[in-house]
Amino acid sequence: GESVGLHLPTLSVQEGDNSIINCAYSNSASDYFIWYKQESGKGPQFIIDIRSNMDKRQGQRVTVLLNKTVKHLSLQIAATQPGDSAVYFCAENMGGGFKTIFGAGTRLFVKA
Amino acid sequence: NAGVMQNPRHLVRRRGQEARLRCSPMKGHSHVYWYRQLPEEGLKFMVYLQKENIIDESGMPKERFSAEFPKEGPSILRIQQVVRGDSAAYFCASSPVDSNQPQHFGDGTRLSIL
Repeated sequence: GESVGLHLPTLSVQEGDNSIINCAYSNSASDYFIWYKQESGKGPQFIIDIRSNMDKRQGQRVTVLLNKTVKHLSLQIAATQPGDSAVYFCAENMGGGFKTIFGAGTRLFVKA
Repeated sequence: NAGVMQNPRHLVRRRGQEARLRCSPMKGHSHVYWYRQLPEEGLKFMVYLQKENIIDESGMPKERFSAEFPKEGPSILRIQQVVRGDSAAYFCASSPVDSNQPQHFGDGTRLSIL
């Protein structure tokens, strides 16, 4: 079903450290997963995606891990920078359809 | 977010008035989605449209809300007789035909109801 977050969980990291943001998705039939970054006053921005036939996918400084057994998704950001400060959302796409369900989001603070 | 254009960026309405939010998808995208976001919350799906068709409106309130994506022109999200609870950020996204492609978002319309 839809995720509703009342208060965003927050992750605070030191600049240069690695960040790990976790997400539990809701539907075992979901076969496509996306991470988005949302900065204040802007729309969500695509970061990286992964299909259900993969366990891991790497991009530039970001890695997404998918554990279908426990319906868990994580986003790892290497060498976190102040510009990475934002809210991060995971999203799942259900079974070949177009409807995408968003998680509640995690706010990442990067301390200089 | 280059590509998906939403206007206006900010819209102020009094209770009982109508709000019209516009969205032009990225070039080549034939699918449009509308989402609503309250402060400190995630995005809630409202409606998914293709040209001249509503495919899924399961997230849209049955009363006062409507959406269209005409053959020519932008997609419109229309809220009639607005109430204070309609205050939110409304985001539009678009995607190409392939379902396993990420949606691309506009920067939203912030609707404030006085």
